[in-house]
Amino acid sequence: QKEVEQDPGPLSVPEGAIVSLNCTYSNSAFQYFMWYRQYSRKGPELLMYTYSSGNKEDGRFTAQVDKSSKYISLFIRDSQPSDSATYLCAMLGGYGNKLVFGAGTILRVKS
Amino acid sequence: EPEVTQTPSHQVTQMGQEVILRCVPISNHLYFYWYRQILGQKVEFLVSFYNNEISEKSEIFDDQFSVERPDGSNFTLKIRSTKLEDSAMYFCASRGEADTQYFGPGTRLTVL
Repeated sequence: QKEVEQDPGPLSVPEGAIVSLNCTYSNSAFQYFMWYRQYSRKGPELLMYTYSSGNKEDGRFTAQVDKSSKYISLFIRDSQPSDSATYLCAMLGGYGNKLVFGAGTILRVKS
Repeated sequence: EPEVTQTPSHQVTQMGQEVILRCVPISNHLYFYWYRQILGQKVEFLVSFYNNEISEKSEIFDDQFSVERPDGSNFTLKIRSTKLEDSAMYFCASRGEADTQYFGPGTRLTVL
């Protein structure tokens, strides 16, 4: 079983839609959860960072963590064509300070 | 806003040659990392560096790889004898006291 699983998509939505992106993980040692956005051939850009179960909101973005189910989500409200990118979930565990990434979900928002 | 910078943006080299990839982390950060991403694959951890020594490295980071912080601002990744399979995007990241890592724009390494 992979440590972090993420559906690679692509996910195609119309402008203005609510987008839901998800990751599951198997390692209970993961305590910190991040979402990065990556445009083609660019570096990952940090979007959201959470360390506890529950929701965290920042503008149009909401990150949700359910540690009991080992499941994290990123919701994007009122999606825009500029949101078209690859979204990477990443996790940090107690045994080291390396990030473990999901495969990334390609999102396309059509105008 | 402070950011991580990397040079060069693209490096082309012949198999067996040495390459050095350079990074300037965010100035007050203490922890430094290298990751790589082979085209179409996930971002993979290579090495972390703190207090002038390697704190963790992955199986990928074998004897052909080394890292150095030669001065107060640069952080380098050296690949001694490049292989075709080293072709990838290499990302430098840094973090301060919090757990959030900030990534540079990457260096695309092409080994011919």
